Amino acid sequence: GQNIDQPTEMTATEGAIVQINCTYQTSGFNGLFWYQQHAGEAPTFLSYNVLDGLEEKGRFSSFLSRSKGYSYLLLKELQMKDSASYLCAVRGDNYGQNFVFGPGTRLSVLP
Amino acid sequence: DSGVTQTPKHLITATGQRVTLRCSPRSGDLSVYWYQQSLDQGLQFLIHYYNGEERAKGNILERFSAQQFPDLHSELNLSSLELGDSALYFCASSVGGGPDISGYTFGSGTRLTVV
Repeated sequence: GQNIDQPTEMTATEGAIVQINCTYQTSGFNGLFWYQQHAGEAPTFLSYNVLDGLEEKGRFSSFLSRSKGYSYLLLKELQMKDSASYLCAVRGDNYGQNFVFGPGTRLSVLP
Repeated sequence: DSGVTQTPKHLITATGQRVTLRCSPRSGDLSVYWYQQSLDQGLQFLIHYYNGEERAKGNILERFSAQQFPDLHSELNLSSLELGDSALYFCASSVGGGPDISGYTFGSGTRLTVV
């Protein structure tokens, strides 16, 4: 089976740093993706990790440990517009047949 | 604009009715995926088409069906609608038969309300 876990909600303060964790158990592994989704809008791609380590993209970074089935998304210098849900998704075996989204973490950024 | 077009944006209909949601993938993309997202829920995979052929089925109800046409646009048909079918329905596309390194590209969704 396939299982992806994320915290349901998180709260942080504007200007701070927040880390959103994702743990997964999937049939095979061919990459982990992070998406941002504002309420009522489409998910938008943030990052992709297929090898262990940290990928940095401006204020956002994503980390992967394949041996631990673990990833995190790090958001720095939080802004109010970062209030959104953050979805972790894993590409397992058979590519399209096994692209599973986690439940998402709703982040609220407070002034 | 992501390049994936979904129509209509909003739809309100009564229980027992049938509706059709339409999706045009990004130019050059051969795959279309349909997802359902109920209020405060995650994205639930419904079905995947690649170049006109069904590739994978998720938790799609028997009352729901889809197809992809020769011009690669896709339609999701929902029939005998129930209140619980109220949700956001997203279409996504990709070039190949699965997510590429930028994952999927999502359309802006159709918000279906069943009353």
